[in-house]
Amino acid sequence: GENVEQHPSTLSVQEGDSAVIKCTYSDSASNYFPWYKQELGKRPQLIIDIRSNVGEKKDQRIAVTLNKTAKHFSLHITETQPEDSAVYFCAATLSGGTSYGKLTFGQGTILTVHP
Amino acid sequence: EPEVTQTPSHQVTQMGQEVILRCVPISNHLYFYWYRQILGQKVEFLVSFYNNEISEKSEIFDDQFSVERPDGSNFTLKIRSTKLEDSAMYFCASTGQGIYQPQHFGDGTRLSIL
Repeated sequence: GENVEQHPSTLSVQEGDSAVIKCTYSDSASNYFPWYKQELGKRPQLIIDIRSNVGEKKDQRIAVTLNKTAKHFSLHITETQPEDSAVYFCAATLSGGTSYGKLTFGQGTILTVHP
Repeated sequence: EPEVTQTPSHQVTQMGQEVILRCVPISNHLYFYWYRQILGQKVEFLVSFYNNEISEKSEIFDDQFSVERPDGSNFTLKIRSTKLEDSAMYFCASTGQGIYQPQHFGDGTRLSIL
């Protein structure tokens, strides 16, 4: 089955700096890669996703890149703000066809943005 | 924006007791999931449900677990005889028809087994 590895486990940055979180996946059939932000005690919230036929996607301060050959994808947050502090999870799945889209999550990255 | 809703938000149960966690997925969604998250750990897949049957389940989802869609709106997870290690946050999620549809999560039920 799919296995997703995520690094780093913790990341501490100063407000205004950039943050990068990296994930690798094992199943070359996976074709959809969402990123979730989880604040303490809250639900995981989708912040951005990328499909396997796209190399990069950007939404304001957040961008995700995907390298299918190397089977890794990364989340980039620019101009970080204290409210970006949370746990970030990457995930991978095979979407469509006979798959029912179960998500395999990485271990999570605790991002702390210091004012 | 429509949301997945879960009840209760917190459930405290004695070991060995049965517990039912309830979810109302987004109304036009067709695929439903349960995940769990042990405190401080990653989110783990339990089961997916489509067309009134289980489509996939993980090794965690043993004979003590069952899911049901008793009516057109609710989706439940039952644990028959709870164990201490079942203590976790349980999230329900749903997604619509089609490829690349994002999964939307509920706020979760924190299950504490005593």
